[in-house]
Amino acid sequence: NAGVTQTPKFQVLKTGQSMTLQCAQDMNHNSMYWYRQDPGMGLRLIYYSASEGTTDKGEVPNGYNVSRLNKREFSLRLESAAPSQTSVYFCASRTGSSYNEQFFGPGTRLTVL
Amino acid sequence: KQEVTQIPAALSVPEGENLVLNCSFTDSAIYNLQWFRQDPGKGLTSLLLIQSSQREQTSGRLNASLDKSSGRSTLYIAASQPGDSATYLCAVRPQRDSNYQLIWGAGTKLIIKP
Repeated sequence: NAGVTQTPKFQVLKTGQSMTLQCAQDMNHNSMYWYRQDPGMGLRLIYYSASEGTTDKGEVPNGYNVSRLNKREFSLRLESAAPSQTSVYFCASRTGSSYNEQFFGPGTRLTVL
Repeated sequence: KQEVTQIPAALSVPEGENLVLNCSFTDSAIYNLQWFRQDPGKGLTSLLLIQSSQREQTSGRLNASLDKSSGRSTLYIAASQPGDSATYLCAVRPQRDSNYQLIWGAGTKLIIKP
């Protein structure tokens, strides 16, 4: 079991460029999440997917789009990157139990110049 | 709006000491609270989860307590080791949330000096 995997690990973009962050989980979880983590702040939810075929906005969705491609994969797209999107991005998936345990990927460190 | 605060932002202690990390939240209507560990360049690992009806949870040298009425949780680490050096984050799941969203503190960076 690889758990939650994310690609790429690092990325540098120029302002206005686009890119997609990939996330996959092999734990058969229904729910998946995208967070961003900025220095001195807690993680903030960008988008989540409660189940295959559904997506919903989180706390900070502006400038992002997501796709729940299938049960395993949940991608995050930046259509026109801005320096304010420089951050570390984490993908997570959740067990189906009421305990709400979330499992996290290793993160993608994105710098927008 | 639920807010989660962790103080101090950083803590450095000698190896072998017992220590306490603090987490406070503004709305006592929570479903549960989790403590996570984050190592540099890595993802987050769940350490302990306390349901709102529970007072504490233990795992090895870690003990997490929850006082919902006062909006506080503590993570107690016994006999600290250099390998405990990491950033510790707490997160709450609000009671009224049906989508299992978590509200996060900014974390406490812990350094254990050999």
